[in-house]
Amino acid sequence: GAVVSQHPSWVICKSGTSVKIECRSLDFQATTMFWYRQFPKQSLMLMATSNEGSKATYEQGVEKDKFLINHASLTLSTLTVTSAHPEDSSFYICSARGQGGRDEQYFGPGTRLTVT
Amino acid sequence: EDQVTQSPEALRLQEGESSSLNCSYTVSGLRGLFWYRQDPGKGPEFLFTLYSAGEEKEKERLKATLTKKESFLHITAPKPEDSATYLCAVQRVNTGFQKLVFGTGTRLLVSP
Repeated sequence: GAVVSQHPSWVICKSGTSVKIECRSLDFQATTMFWYRQFPKQSLMLMATSNEGSKATYEQGVEKDKFLINHASLTLSTLTVTSAHPEDSSFYICSARGQGGRDEQYFGPGTRLTVT
Repeated sequence: EDQVTQSPEALRLQEGESSSLNCSYTVSGLRGLFWYRQDPGKGPEFLFTLYSAGEEKEKERLKATLTKKESFLHITAPKPEDSATYLCAVQRVNTGFQKLVFGTGTRLLVSP
């Protein structure tokens, strides 16, 4: 149980284009989903939190117009990196927290984004 | 500001050589402390949640303990497949959406 998937697992795009990453909870309904980015040998940095049907809450320093988050249903959240630049290259990971008051977050396998 | 410090940064063990990883935290009201395992190029895998000082949780060769200032992840008789980065995270009470603050992890390498 508690499986989270991400798609794509890796993507290469050209500078100036936009990329969409999907995060799905496969066997549970996720009231809250989180988006992180991780640089090599560094820890996870929370970018934003999203609840189904409401606007995402962004962490300080994260540009909400650049990283668009949509939590359309209890099983799907998307992160769109708009007008990507090489400095946006990173490992993006989503997590989901289920219903029933459990505190654990279950993570997806991550998406490696390379902007050329 | 919530802070999580993990030590050592890296640890190399021989198979069967038991050891402990440390997670020190500063948080204004701990709701929970979490341990995750992360393999290279993968997302973190949930291991344990601890809520109160004195609590212990076990899973196979791993045991997590919690005090008011730190948590330990004890690894008994490790095997090469235990090689991974182990991440500790804290969750503060009354934090919106119960977000986690992560430490930088301990990279564990177990040699056969």
